[in-house]
Amino acid sequence: AQSVTQPDIHITVSEGASLELRCNYSYGATPYLFWYVQSPGQGLQLLLKYFSGDTLVQGIKGFEAEFKRSQSSFNLRKPSVHWSDAAEYFCAVGAEGNEKLTFGTGTRLTIIP
Amino acid sequence: NAGVTQTPKFRILKIGQSMTLQCAQDMNHNYMYWYRQDPGMGLKLIYYSVGAGITDKGEVPNGYNVSRSTTEDFPLRLELAAPSQTSVYFCASSSEGGYSNQPQHFGDGTRLSIL
Repeated sequence: AQSVTQPDIHITVSEGASLELRCNYSYGATPYLFWYVQSPGQGLQLLLKYFSGDTLVQGIKGFEAEFKRSQSSFNLRKPSVHWSDAAEYFCAVGAEGNEKLTFGTGTRLTIIP
Repeated sequence: NAGVTQTPKFRILKIGQSMTLQCAQDMNHNYMYWYRQDPGMGLKLIYYSVGAGITDKGEVPNGYNVSRSTTEDFPLRLELAAPSQTSVYFCASSSEGGYSNQPQHFGDGTRLSIL
């Protein structure tokens, strides 16, 4: 069965600084990978996804993520964060033959002025 | 442009009461999911459905029941509310299952407290 780990529970970044959120997955074949964002009091919104092809994927709100098979990682990046990026971020993995997604435990992002 | 609609948004229940959390989607999605979210625990799958009349258990189904009589609706029922069921509940839908590149669309959640 697939699994996903987000090693960082909470990250604090200054506004305008760069950001990288880590996601590691466990799955024997090529997974389907997603990043979701959850603003306070809201449901989850899709930021980006990886299915196949170019390993660097672009998403909404200026986010990107890179699939690295050798490291079993799908880290989320943004070159310059804005105060509105403060939220919780979830990585998720889907796998062949499985009807469900497996979500990580999330990383809470705090932005300081 | 409703997407996934959950009602109610907030609810307080007494121990032993029952209630139904409603979820409706207008995207004609076959797949629907119920999650609970507890602080620091991420999302735990309660039940899911791959189409009308078909449901299956997720990771944490105990204390809950679901039905799927139509494509649009996927209600979640708590029969005997317990304090351990205090959580935020999210419903999601997708055109395909987790083995595809189709994302899940989420509702805004129901915040449930059991006192």
